[in-house]
Amino acid sequence: GESVGLHLPTLSVQEGDNSIINCAYSNSASDYFIWYKQESGKGPQFIIDIRSNMDKRQGQRVTVLLNKTVKHLSLQIAATQPGDSAVYFCAETGGATNKLIFGTGTLLAVQP
Amino acid sequence: DAGITQSPRHKVTETGTPVTLRCHQTENHRYMYWYRQDPGHGLRLIHYSYGVKDTDKGEVSDGYSVSRSKTEDFLLTLESATSSQTSVYFCAISEGRDTEAFFGQGTRLTVV
Repeated sequence: GESVGLHLPTLSVQEGDNSIINCAYSNSASDYFIWYKQESGKGPQFIIDIRSNMDKRQGQRVTVLLNKTVKHLSLQIAATQPGDSAVYFCAETGGATNKLIFGTGTLLAVQP
Repeated sequence: DAGITQSPRHKVTETGTPVTLRCHQTENHRYMYWYRQDPGHGLRLIHYSYGVKDTDKGEVSDGYSVSRSKTEDFLLTLESATSSQTSVYFCAISEGRDTEAFFGQGTRLTVV
């Protein structure tokens, strides 16, 4: 599939370590945030979401943290596995718009 | 993939020709989106729809038009294709503005 990793920030971690992927969002009125995972040649896949009335949400092996004061979002992946290698995107929506806007993405490379 | 079908999956066309990409859903979701993805730019919103005949522009709408005459179909048209429109195009659907969006498999368009 087409490479979407060119010029992307890259996070390289060892298998079994925890990963933290960060995202700065742009619209202070955004009230809904999503993390997506995209593997080469595939469409983005939903991982976890969070609404602005929360600051933390946990899923299976993943946690999303939201800091509205500094407009920052993070995705924590516990015990990172080789299958977690992919590009990760945050997305935001809210305010007066129905638009779902994506960040530029981070390439997660898991070393065995 | 959440009942989303994009067609065609691959297309090569000549500069100046019109091109229409189709997104078909079987989920009866209200929102539909068209994105393009290029190396180093992540996913950029072209147009979106929040109901039948209700559409709005995204971040990179110049050179593109859309139509949604029924809930299940969202068409993206390049009136006169240019080489800068060579990209991978993704359709997404969501039930509401603040619910997760599901993506199709993408359409790889090459304009020569």
